[in-house]
Amino acid sequence: NAGVTQTPKFRILKIGQSMTLQCTQDMNHNYMYWYRQDPGMGLKLIYYSVGAGITDKGEVPNGYNVSRSTTEDFPLRLELAAPSQTSVYFCASSSTEGGSYNEQFFGPGTRLTVL
Amino acid sequence: EDKVVQSPLSLVVHEGDTVTLNCSYEVTNFRSLLWYKQEKKAPTFLFMLTSSGIEKKSGRLSSILDKKELFSILNITATQTGDSAVYLCAVEAGGGSEKLVFGKGTKLTVNP
Repeated sequence: NAGVTQTPKFRILKIGQSMTLQCTQDMNHNYMYWYRQDPGMGLKLIYYSVGAGITDKGEVPNGYNVSRSTTEDFPLRLELAAPSQTSVYFCASSSTEGGSYNEQFFGPGTRLTVL
Repeated sequence: EDKVVQSPLSLVVHEGDTVTLNCSYEVTNFRSLLWYKQEKKAPTFLFMLTSSGIEKKSGRLSSILDKKELFSILNITATQTGDSAVYLCAVEAGGGSEKLVFGKGTKLTVNP
């Protein structure tokens, strides 16, 4: 049981390039999330998904896109990278087993630098 | 706008000291408050609190929630250098999406 995995661990992009951050969970969780964390700051929600085929915007969605074609995968797409997107990105998942909220499990993070 | 405020932002103590970290919140449709520990990598879950006045304990760590005054505290007794980390408070805002709103965190440094 690997939990939540993310790839890549590190990436440097040039302004205007695009890339996809991968996230996979093997816990059969229905909820998945993408956060970014800037230095000295808490986590800010970018997008989330409550199940396959359903996604919604979080607090800071501009410049990003997501899709959720399967329960396991929740990729995050950056179309035109900007320096303001330099951050550490965390993917997380949680379940609503039993109808109640359960804690979110986090992946190891992707450190992205846009130059 | 939903808001979670943690204090202090940073704290330096000596091993053996007891520390109290604070978290206040203003969110619509509160469902739960969570504490996470982050040590240079992904946050790891500590506690989830949903009911006022009930203390959750795990070893030297304990936490309590006051839903009337809209705050929570995280206590760490007999601190160790391994407790050095950023402690994040997050509140689940309602609406059925289980979204978490995070505070900026408290950076705790425990010196030998």
